[in-house]
Amino acid sequence: DAMVIQNPRYQVTQFGKPVTLSCSQTLNHNVMYWYQQKSSQAPKLLFHYYDKDFNNEADTPDNFQSRRPNTSFCFLDIRSPGLGDAAMYLCATSGGQGHQPQHFGDGTRLSIL
Amino acid sequence: SQKIEQNSEALNIQEGKTATLTCNYTNYSPAYLQWYRQDPGRGPVFLLLIRENEKEKRKERLKVTFDTTLKQSLFHITASQPADSATYLCALDRGYGGATNKLIFGTGTLLAVQP
Repeated sequence: DAMVIQNPRYQVTQFGKPVTLSCSQTLNHNVMYWYQQKSSQAPKLLFHYYDKDFNNEADTPDNFQSRRPNTSFCFLDIRSPGLGDAAMYLCATSGGQGHQPQHFGDGTRLSIL
Repeated sequence: SQKIEQNSEALNIQEGKTATLTCNYTNYSPAYLQWYRQDPGRGPVFLLLIRENEKEKRKERLKVTFDTTLKQSLFHITASQPADSATYLCALDRGYGGATNKLIFGTGTLLAVQP
């Protein structure tokens, strides 16, 4: 089945230690999104790619970066995680033709020690 | 600022009844609205999309309405089952057109269907 896979499902890192979360998709979708979701809160869009074009949200901290080496893979890099960055990170894709449903992975739960 | 409100309290209903979840928004004029289901520890799963010129959309036991005058969407699950228990998120699509749709999500309503 075509899907969105996030690895790892759980990630623990130390305060200030860089961490990378990964996302892969077999849907061949043009658009990939990264969301941050804290407990009992709405998913919050951090940034998205349309093909190789990167689009950052205005309120996304500089601490968060992303890379998309090819259509299938997208990475979220947190350069110096703080305690406030502990959250579920969700990757999603869409077909890139506007107003399409988004297909989500099951997320990576990030904990900061 | 833009605001999306969903029932903040959990909704508890009896199996077989109809569940009705509410999504209200302010300072916003979405062209599209989407509903997703999210189970604990999982990513959201798309359920239904409705356009601003559509009053109602149905899919099996699900029904969504969209009232742009009231700035409200209602999400109904008929003949509810315990397996319908989950958090339901509404998401507004700014409808820029073009290649991407950027969604603004509500915080969701937790639905619990009692057997």
